[in-house]
Amino acid sequence: GENVEQHPSTLSVQEGDSAVIKCTYSDSASNYFPWYKQELGKGPQLIIDIRSNVGEKKDQRIAVTLNKTAKHFSLHITETQPEDSAVYFCAAAKVSGGYNKLIFGAGTRLAVHP
Amino acid sequence: GAGVSQSPSNKVTEKGKDVELRCDPISGHTALYWYRQSLGQGLEFLIYFQGNSAPDKSGLPSDRFSAERTGGSVSTLTIQRTQQEDSAVYLCASSFKGRETQYFGPGTRLLVL
Repeated sequence: GENVEQHPSTLSVQEGDSAVIKCTYSDSASNYFPWYKQELGKGPQLIIDIRSNVGEKKDQRIAVTLNKTAKHFSLHITETQPEDSAVYFCAAAKVSGGYNKLIFGAGTRLAVHP
Repeated sequence: GAGVSQSPSNKVTEKGKDVELRCDPISGHTALYWYRQSLGQGLEFLIYFQGNSAPDKSGLPSDRFSAERTGGSVSTLTIQRTQQEDSAVYLCASSFKGRETQYFGPGTRLLVL
């Protein structure tokens, strides 16, 4: 089955710096890769996603890149702000007919220091 | 509109007791998922419901775990004879049929003493 590894487990940056989180997946048939942000005491919230027919996607300060050959994808946050502090999860899924069993990485705890 | 809601938000129980966790998906969402998040860990898939199709129960860790979805809407996850290792946050998510995006509820924090 699918396995997703995520690095680093913790990341500390200064406000205004960039943050990069990397994930690798094992199943080459996976075609959907979302990123979730989870704040303390809350459920995960989707922040960006990418499908296997796209190499890069941007949304304001957030971008995701996908390398299908190497089976890895990354989250890039630019101009970090204290409110970006949270746990970030990557996930991979083989979407079929709407069925979407997400396999999650272990998470990255991001701390942005003012 | 209203998001996914879960109840209770917190549950403390004694080892050996049964617990029921409830999930109300977003109105109109036909797909419903349950995940488990142990302390400091990622999310682990438990079970998936899609309309009237047979659920995918491949993630349930033991036969003490079961779930049902009545009327294609509300779902209940039941854990029988709880064990301390069942302590975790149980998250529910829903999505529109044919759409990949899953919307998560706030979770139920279960503590088994």
